[in-house]
Amino acid sequence: KQEVTQIPAALSVPEGENLVLNCSFTDSAIYNLQWFRQDPGKGLTSLLLIQSSQREQTSGRLNASLDKSSGRSTLYIAASQPGDSATYLCAVRFIKAAGNKLTFGGGTRVLVKP
Amino acid sequence: KAGVTQTPRYLIKTRGQQVTLSCSPISGHRSVSWYQQTPGQGLQFLFEYFSETQRNKGNFPGRFSGRQFSNSRSEMNVSTLELGDSALYLCASSLVEGNNSPLHFGNGTRLTVT
Repeated sequence: KQEVTQIPAALSVPEGENLVLNCSFTDSAIYNLQWFRQDPGKGLTSLLLIQSSQREQTSGRLNASLDKSSGRSTLYIAASQPGDSATYLCAVRFIKAAGNKLTFGGGTRVLVKP
Repeated sequence: KAGVTQTPRYLIKTRGQQVTLSCSPISGHRSVSWYQQTPGQGLQFLFEYFSETQRNKGNFPGRFSGRQFSNSRSEMNVSTLELGDSALYLCASSLVEGNNSPLHFGNGTRLTVT
């Protein structure tokens, strides 16, 4: 069974500290992994997409790494700001899943304190 | 370029009624997927459409159905509503059906069943 797990479920850090968010998945046969951000009551905003052949992707203060063999991805957010407070979701497209189906982790709720 | 548009944003229905939700994908996107988000179950895949054909279906009862029109717009319908159907329903579109297309999500429709 293909599953995605995010631990911890919630995280609180002081402003300026680097954030490290973890995602693990049970099947290493994946097409890609996508990180999303969700603000309360809103939809999902795509942050980074890592293809299975890539080891990492970067966008501004965000960097995501992928280790397929160990079934892990990490999202790093440098120099966190209060505006980074949100829920971060990891989603995997497994090869055994048909079409564009994504399997989501439960998310990590982040609070950055000023 | 306009993003994924979902209407309505909020809906309140009573048990036993039926509801139709609408999704307009990003212009040029031909694949549309639907997800249900609840606090207990997280994000769960409902179904996916490409070129007016359902390509993939999640593990939901037959009360949940959908369709896609020739302009790629999609609707989902839930009949005989139950309290447990209260959720945020998210629509996502992607350029093509395939393993490397990132998904772009709308802001969702918040359905409350009383």
